[in-house]
Amino acid sequence: DVVLTQTPVAQPVTLGDQASISCRSSQSLVHSNGNTYLEWYLQKPGQSPQLLIYKVSNRFSGVPDRFIGSGSGSDFTLKISRVEPEDLGVYYCFQATHDPYTFGAGTKLELK
Amino acid sequence: EVQLVESGGGLVQPGRSMKLSCAASGFTFSNYGMAWVRQAPKKGLEWVAYISYDGGSTYYRDPVKGRFTISRDNAKSTLYLQMDSLRSEDTATYYCTTDRPFAYWGQGTLVTVSS
Repeated sequence: DVVLTQTPVAQPVTLGDQASISCRSSQSLVHSNGNTYLEWYLQKPGQSPQLLIYKVSNRFSGVPDRFIGSGSGSDFTLKISRVEPEDLGVYYCFQATHDPYTFGAGTKLELK
Repeated sequence: EVQLVESGGGLVQPGRSMKLSCAASGFTFSNYGMAWVRQAPKKGLEWVAYISYDGGSTYYRDPVKGRFTISRDNAKSTLYLQMDSLRSEDTATYYCTTDRPFAYWGQGTLVTVSS
């Protein structure tokens, strides 16, 4: 199975600061069709996960432009500029290039 | 507004069966593949199973293959997960989602496998 390693495990932030989360894959996530199926989800406390980013860098409808996904191959990053209170929670990267699909272990974005 | 409402969870003994349902509304259900994702208590997310828009293709993660069956009734806009031979490690909140990506999620239903 593809292993997604997220760092850091926890990211203490001050509101208004930038946060950065890394997601490294045990193998390339480039699909044979040329697409890279790397997604980012946020799970706020007590809520269901929500989609932020799909295919590395595409923001889902309604996601603020302070969320920026980037990367290629097996190395990906989610940057959140100007962190707001509603951004706090656990962020998961997810790959759907290789069967079985797998999630990273999560990165908790929390206040300092 | 897209809504996914799971039901059918609860306490079940190891080795027994349980069937989860997910009622969909607010979108053309028959046009979308669907998936189940689970989350053990205080743990991360785990993809469980996928079904194509017409039910013609299904995929499962290895630990549930042969025990879980994903199905759908497009006439009723409902997704199902039949879970047999349940084990303690299947204890989790089960979410149904639209696939792919997982754009919309239900609120989840908790399945507890314990004697």
